[in-house]
Amino acid sequence: AQSVTQLGSHVSVSEGALVLLRCNYSSSVPPYLFWYVQYPNQGLQLLLKYTSAATLVKGINGFEAEFKKSETSFHLTKPSAHMSDAAEYFCAVRKAGYSTLTFGKGTMLLVSP
Amino acid sequence: DVKVTQSSRYLVKRTGEKVFLECVQDMDHENMFWYRQDPGLGLRLIYFSYDVKMKEKGDIPEGYSVSREKKERFSLILESASTNQTSMYLCASSLDPRVLSEKLFFGSGTQLSVL
Repeated sequence: AQSVTQLGSHVSVSEGALVLLRCNYSSSVPPYLFWYVQYPNQGLQLLLKYTSAATLVKGINGFEAEFKKSETSFHLTKPSAHMSDAAEYFCAVRKAGYSTLTFGKGTMLLVSP
Repeated sequence: DVKVTQSSRYLVKRTGEKVFLECVQDMDHENMFWYRQDPGLGLRLIYFSYDVKMKEKGDIPEGYSVSREKKERFSLILESASTNQTSMYLCASSLDPRVLSEKLFFGSGTQLSVL
């Protein structure tokens, strides 16, 4: 079955530091990959998505992710963390031919001053 | 602006009660989804619907049913609520099931507590 694995249920960084949230997928063919963010007491909103047009994908709020087929990874990065980035982040995959998304277990990003 | 509205933010029910969770979208979307979110487990798909009166089971449909009588409304039903159904429930929608790159639009969620 299609799945995604997010390494680390919690990641802590200092304000201004690099953010790296890890996501690996299992698929025999390149899937569609997504990163969503959930701020406290809100639903999820899309940060960015990979659809095979380009391996480096830029999203909102300064985030980007790189699709690496050889590593089956789609890690999310941001050069400099801001306090407002504190939230839970979910990686998700959609296999070609399916309309549903499969989500990872989520990574809570904590940003300290 | 796109909107997915869930009728209740917090809900407290007793074991054995029949529970209805309502979701309405105002975007004329074809696809609608119900997920439950639990700490450490992420989001898990309960049911989805790609058209009026159509429904498909997701990964964890046991103990749940759904209803989609109108395109804009998708209801999740707990026939006899149990304590292990205490969770955050998220509704989502997307425009066209054939467009696989399409994003989901989420509601703010309903935190259900079953006592």
